[in-house]
Amino acid sequence: GEDVEQSLFLSVREGDSSVINCTYTDSSSTYLYWYKQEPGAGLQLLTYIFSNMDMKQDQRLTVLLNKKDKHLSLRIADTQTGDSAIYFCAEIPNDYKLSFGAGTTVTVRA
Amino acid sequence: DAGVTQSPTHLIKTRGQHVTLRCSPISGHKSVSWYQQVLGQGPQFIFQYYEKEERGRGNFPDRFSARQFPNYSSELNVNALLLGDSALYLCASSLDLAPTFGAGSRLTVL
Repeated sequence: GEDVEQSLFLSVREGDSSVINCTYTDSSSTYLYWYKQEPGAGLQLLTYIFSNMDMKQDQRLTVLLNKKDKHLSLRIADTQTGDSAIYFCAEIPNDYKLSFGAGTTVTVRA
Repeated sequence: DAGVTQSPTHLIKTRGQHVTLRCSPISGHKSVSWYQQVLGQGPQFIFQYYEKEERGRGNFPDRFSARQFPNYSSELNVNALLLGDSALYLCASSLDLAPTFGAGSRLTVL
């Protein structure tokens, strides 16, 4: 099974906030990542957070990290139709391998 | 500045054949990793190379091999193709701990 777990689907109304949740298993992971994948495309790095931080904000994106519970979330403010995509959470349990979740498909409805 | 480039973008092979996929990293990036993404799943780690040396290998059979050249470009080779090898093969390069992915090579095995 996956070491990183995410809910599979999220539907959100345009203009609302989206929150995507993720749990990971390896407490030694130094960085945690959020990637976005649009249909037929590769992975786009959205943001990442160092494990000694509990929050990082980057324009419309806010990452929250609860290291005790091994829980990571990505909040997208003012969600737009262009935000429709699959979002992957990933940890890096050693210094060379990314371990991904199965991805959360976000659908933005008008 | 060019991102990570992969070739070919799409290819179709039959069972038992061999395939070579190519990746050019971002200029200055010395680390290249390969991932396999089966439809509906997150990417799975195959290999990482750094300075032409293999640093890590995922849980893939010996039919999968790779190498990195002096210019840091890389090839992924898969022998004796199986139907289950059909996937998007992603290459990522990194300078630090923020890997950047290419658009991928979509392999279909018939």
